[in-house]
Amino acid sequence: DAGVIQSPRHEVTEMGQEVTLRCKPISGHNSLFWYRQTMMRGLELLIYFNNNVPIDDSGMPEDRFSAKMPNASFSTLKIQPSEPRDSAVYFCASSLGYANTEAFFGQGTRLTVV
Amino acid sequence: DQQVKQNSPSLSVQEGRISILNCDYTNSMFDYFLWYKKYPAEGPTFLISISSIKDKNEDGRFTVFLNKSAKHLSLHIVPSQPGDSAVYFCAATGSARQLTFGSGTQLTVLP
Repeated sequence: DAGVIQSPRHEVTEMGQEVTLRCKPISGHNSLFWYRQTMMRGLELLIYFNNNVPIDDSGMPEDRFSAKMPNASFSTLKIQPSEPRDSAVYFCASSLGYANTEAFFGQGTRLTVV
Repeated sequence: DQQVKQNSPSLSVQEGRISILNCDYTNSMFDYFLWYKKYPAEGPTFLISISSIKDKNEDGRFTVFLNKSAKHLSLHIVPSQPGDSAVYFCAATGSARQLTFGSGTQLTVLP
């Protein structure tokens, strides 16, 4: 298995633009998580899905952030409009089952908003 | 309010010596703890875990200790190797089974 695949690896965009990050979880995993990593706050859970259904989005910082999982093999995290403070590395992870213990992470998308 | 804290942002250790990474937590409902390792430009990878019913778990050079009364856990790496240089994240979870991560510790093992 190729593991969790995220695209793009790097994204540079101007403030105010819409940004869409993509994730393909490991086949057979039914839980998917979006994390954001910053120097100040470390790894923060933004939202997680179980069987394609959003279970907890309390970590989503603002209404500018939205996430979807239209099917078991694809998820998106959208920021609209983007702001410089959104600059961070965004990770997607998946796991087998409801628990996200021992989740498998993608390589991340480094987002820079200028 | 951070529920999982790693107070040392960095640690340098000589090759062959012991590395000790520390982690404190505040939520008494946490019952499962993990350590993840992260290399640059890669996602975190699972390293070792421990359940709250244990106070020690060992896997090769890596040992995790849990002190529930102090709400403290530590990761020991012995002997340390240059390839161990990475960011180490402590994580904890409770009945909700959502991982809460610390801010990470950059370990540098000097040859």
